[in-house]
Amino acid sequence: GQQLNQSPQSMFIQEGEDVSMNCTSSSIFNTWLWYKQDPGEGPVLLIALYKAGELTSNGRLTAQFGITRKDSFLNISASIPSDVGIYFCAGQSAERTSYGKLTFGQGTILTVHP
Amino acid sequence: NAGVTQTPKFQVLKTGQSMTLQCAQDMNHEYMSWYRQDPGMGLRLIHYSVGAGITDQGEVPNGYNVSRSTTEDFPLRLLSAAPSQTSVYFCASRLNRYSPLHFGNGTRLTVT
Repeated sequence: GQQLNQSPQSMFIQEGEDVSMNCTSSSIFNTWLWYKQDPGEGPVLLIALYKAGELTSNGRLTAQFGITRKDSFLNISASIPSDVGIYFCAGQSAERTSYGKLTFGQGTILTVHP
Repeated sequence: NAGVTQTPKFQVLKTGQSMTLQCAQDMNHEYMSWYRQDPGMGLRLIHYSVGAGITDQGEVPNGYNVSRSTTEDFPLRLLSAAPSQTSVYFCASRLNRYSPLHFGNGTRLTVT
């Protein structure tokens, strides 16, 4: 099956620092999504990317869809304590028979020290 | 709007017991799916449905059954629970294959 490698697995940073995480795939995707999960809740969509090379921002968050369509990254600028959580990337296969199934990365656990 | 609603929030089962995890969405979404979340494994697709009456297997379907008799509901059945099925289960829906997934808040299942 498709593999998504997300790194780093965890990050411990000070409030105010910038954060960067990325995902790489062995397959081409036509959509990349970034989700955040707070403790005890389901993942919530942060940013959706639909075109290779696309760079999209949502407040302090910026994500890019890699030119090769096999990778994506997420940056968080000037982190704050409420940024704590698990961040997931997800890719949607370009194959028509996949019915739009998403493959998720393993997640990046972010801890922000005040 | 309620979005995606999952019940129960927590459940403890003994090995061999069966149960159904409920999922309902009120957004008229075509596509619904079930994922399990285990530490270090991300979210893995169990089963999905592209519309009422249509279901298919995901990455880890063994030990689970689903049905989709209505657009709104997509229950997940554990036929004979095993400790390996201890996990957090998430139901998710999307309007169509091109739109992002919306997740419920999960069901934490422990099988002893």
